[in-house]
Amino acid sequence: DAGVTQSPTHLIKTRGQQVTLRCSPISGHKSVSWYQQVLGQGPQFIFQYYEKEERGRGNFPDRFSARQFPNYSSELNVNALLLGDSALYLCASSTDRSYEQYFGPGTRLTVT
Amino acid sequence: AQKITQTQPGMFVQEKEAVTLDCTYDTSDPSYGLFWYKQPSSGEMIFLIYQGSYDQQNATEGRYSLNFQKARKSANLVISASQLGDSAMYFCAMRGGGLKTGANNLFFGTGTRLTVIP
Repeated sequence: DAGVTQSPTHLIKTRGQQVTLRCSPISGHKSVSWYQQVLGQGPQFIFQYYEKEERGRGNFPDRFSARQFPNYSSELNVNALLLGDSALYLCASSTDRSYEQYFGPGTRLTVT
Repeated sequence: AQKITQTQPGMFVQEKEAVTLDCTYDTSDPSYGLFWYKQPSSGEMIFLIYQGSYDQQNATEGRYSLNFQKARKSANLVISASQLGDSAMYFCAMRGGGLKTGANNLFFGTGTRLTVIP
């Protein structure tokens, strides 16, 4: 079975631009979570979606938004990019019967 | 609020030896769970082991075991018989919610970089 997939792998954007990151969960997983990992730190929780509804939100500004589609894939949008948004963005999927989260390879975003 | 503390930025271990990576946590929730993840240089987070707060026995998964001391609020990872492929960043994490609440987010520590020496 395919694991969690994310696209694109790498991305370079300019300050002020907008970016959309994509995630496809493991087949059968209805929950998708997004994390931001700045260099040298642990991942920080951004959003969790389950059955297309937001179930949790971390301490991130409104420039960050996300949604989940009927096929359970998800998009993370970041508007008005700042240099500090440069990070590895990780997506994780899980079922509603287990605490274990399965992570994708991440999207490395560089803002210049 | 949940908090995870990993005080070892880096650790070295000789191949085939055992190593302990430290993790302490803080939470006011009576029900919680603790995870360890491995992150190679490729960036993907690999699940290693999980311990629930009400689990009676320490979790084990192959060469990985979790030394759970609830009164001390510690959840140290023990890797036995280290291999060169174990060289990576290791993160301790705590879940912020439960399956019933629907919020299954994780709080991570700052990580420990493990280097296995041949």
